[in-house]
Amino acid sequence: NAGVTQTPKFRILKIGQSMTLQCTQDMNHNYMYWYRQDPGMGLKLIYYSVGAGITDKGEVPNGYNVSRSTTEDFPLRLELAAPSQTSVYFCASSYSGQGAIGYTFGSGTRLTVV
Amino acid sequence: KNEVEQSPQNLTAQEGEFITINCSYSVGISALHWLQQHPGGGIVSLFMLSSGKKKHGRLIATINIQEKHSSLHITASHPRDSAVYICAVSPSSTGNQFYFGTGTSLTVIP
Repeated sequence: NAGVTQTPKFRILKIGQSMTLQCTQDMNHNYMYWYRQDPGMGLKLIYYSVGAGITDKGEVPNGYNVSRSTTEDFPLRLELAAPSQTSVYFCASSYSGQGAIGYTFGSGTRLTVV
Repeated sequence: KNEVEQSPQNLTAQEGEFITINCSYSVGISALHWLQQHPGGGIVSLFMLSSGKKKHGRLIATINIQEKHSSLHITASHPRDSAVYICAVSPSSTGNQFYFGTGTSLTVIP
């Protein structure tokens, strides 16, 4: 049982480049989330999805896009990378809302924009 | 403004000590989570609480809804408990928005 799988684990981008952070879960969770974690700050919600075909903005969505074509996959797209997007990104999933049990995190993607 | 405050920010303990980490929040909640983040970054959910107390091994989590306060206790601490412990609340007004504390960095010395 793999849980939540994120790729890549590390990436360095140049300003203006684009990339997609991949997230896949095999637990048949309907809710999925993307967070960013900056030094000295709490995790911030970027986007979330309550099921295939449905996505919504979180607290810090600017500069990012997501899609949810299947229950399993929830990729996060950075179109024009900026130094402010240097962060550690976590994908997570759960059976229902964030008050639910079974909340599972991926291992994170450390992104540096130079 | 930070909806979730944790204390202390940093904590160093000797192996075997009893440890308490505190979390205070300012919003009505449907649930509170305690998370553990090890060096290397992976995050694991330890507890989800909506009332009372839960115990798992040497870890105990309590919550007082009226006082908007939760504590995480570690009994007989061990160096492998060294990690960042994060408190997160799910506000009752928004089902899909967690508020996270900035974490408590715990180091347990042998």
